[in-house]
Amino acid sequence: AQTVTQSQPEMSVQEAETVTLSCTYDTSESDYYLFWYKQPPSRQMILVIRQEAYKQQNATENRFSVNFQKAAKSFSLKISDSQLGDAAMYFCAYRRALSGTYKYIFGTGTRLKVLA
Amino acid sequence: GAGVSQSPSNKVTEKGKDVELRCDPISGHTALYWYRQSLGQGLEFLIYFQGNSAPDKSGLPSDRFSAERTGGSVSTLTIQRTQQEDSAVYLCASSLGGTGGGTDTQYFGPGTRLTVL
Repeated sequence: AQTVTQSQPEMSVQEAETVTLSCTYDTSESDYYLFWYKQPPSRQMILVIRQEAYKQQNATENRFSVNFQKAAKSFSLKISDSQLGDAAMYFCAYRRALSGTYKYIFGTGTRLKVLA
Repeated sequence: GAGVSQSPSNKVTEKGKDVELRCDPISGHTALYWYRQSLGQGLEFLIYFQGNSAPDKSGLPSDRFSAERTGGSVSTLTIQRTQQEDSAVYLCASSLGGTGGGTDTQYFGPGTRLTVL
């Protein structure tokens, strides 16, 4: 069975600095998708970034980028130039690429605090 | 609608009572998901609908939990004879569904916070 592990329950970063959130996963599949979701206090989950396992190039979305290490089964999220609005819970998620498979597996989350 | 909506936003009930939680997906989204988020935990998958059928019910924790979806739109999650351990935030998400491609993105609702006294 696939599992997703986020070993950092909480992280802090100074405003304008860079922070990296860790995520590791376990799977025997070769093709899959990885996601980072943000959940602010409003509870609304928002997709931050997505990575296809067959792509070697790391995904980037503005200030958010990932370091995808397939062999190590690692998928970390880097937030550059941190802003107060980045404060939230961040969840790493995995989904098999098999057609018709929609079950996402989420990690336990990392709470990010941004210090002014 | 513009986004996924859920009702009620908060529900307090007494142990042993039944509750119904409602999810309105984004118009045109064929896939719908229910998750449970307990305090300090990640999201626990409960059930997934494609259209009105539920090909994956593997996450439902007990037979007290059931869900249905009618007209390929609104879904209701029912918890019978609630227990204190059912207290959690119940999140609903929808997506276009259909192809299983990586571009299929889940959009989440704000959740229902259920408290069982």
